Amino acid sequence: AQSVTQPDIHITVSEGASLELRCNYSYGATPYLFWYVQSPGQGLQLLLKYFSGDTLVQGIKGFEAEFKRSQSSFNLRKPSVHWSDAAEYFCAVGLNTGNQFYFGTGTSLTVIP
Amino acid sequence: DGGITQSPKYLFRKEGQNVTLSCEQNLNHDAMYWYRQDPGQGLRLIYYSQIVNDFQKGDIAEGYSVSREKKESFPLTVTSAQKNPTAFYLCASSSKGGGRGTDTQYFGPGTRLTVL
Repeated sequence: AQSVTQPDIHITVSEGASLELRCNYSYGATPYLFWYVQSPGQGLQLLLKYFSGDTLVQGIKGFEAEFKRSQSSFNLRKPSVHWSDAAEYFCAVGLNTGNQFYFGTGTSLTVIP
Repeated sequence: DGGITQSPKYLFRKEGQNVTLSCEQNLNHDAMYWYRQDPGQGLRLIYYSQIVNDFQKGDIAEGYSVSREKKESFPLTVTSAQKNPTAFYLCASSSKGGGRGTDTQYFGPGTRLTVL
């Protein structure tokens, strides 16, 4: 079955430390890839997206993500986490066949001082 | 300011009552979507509309209904047939009507519905 997997339900990092959130997908076609962030009780905000071209994508708030076709992954990274980055992060995958779009189940990030 | 508005932010409903959640966008987007969010389950698609006067069921449409009479508005009605309606509801829109899989979706702030 086709799926989007975020293996880490919850991650805790210290402020100033680096961060990597994992996202894997299982689709045969070339996917369109997205990362969203959600603060408690709020809607989702787009961090970045990959459609084609350079596989390293820069987003807002200092985030970046790298598409690795061989690993079916689109991991989100930030070199130095700020306390305000504490939130829920969602990976999403879209396909141009059959109008398909799927969200992962999310990773909750806690930032400790 | 362009964006998506959802109202109300919090909604309480008695069992057996229908309730309508509002979603309005001024982005001139063709497509609009409704998602339901439950803890630990991510987002699940309820309905989507790619163009005015047309809409399709998503993965969990049972107990919900929608209309798309205007481009900017996509209200969701949670009917009494929905067995477990307590959840956070998110509305989204995207610019292209025919590209749900490839078009960027932008989200509203959400409505939290609680059934008493």
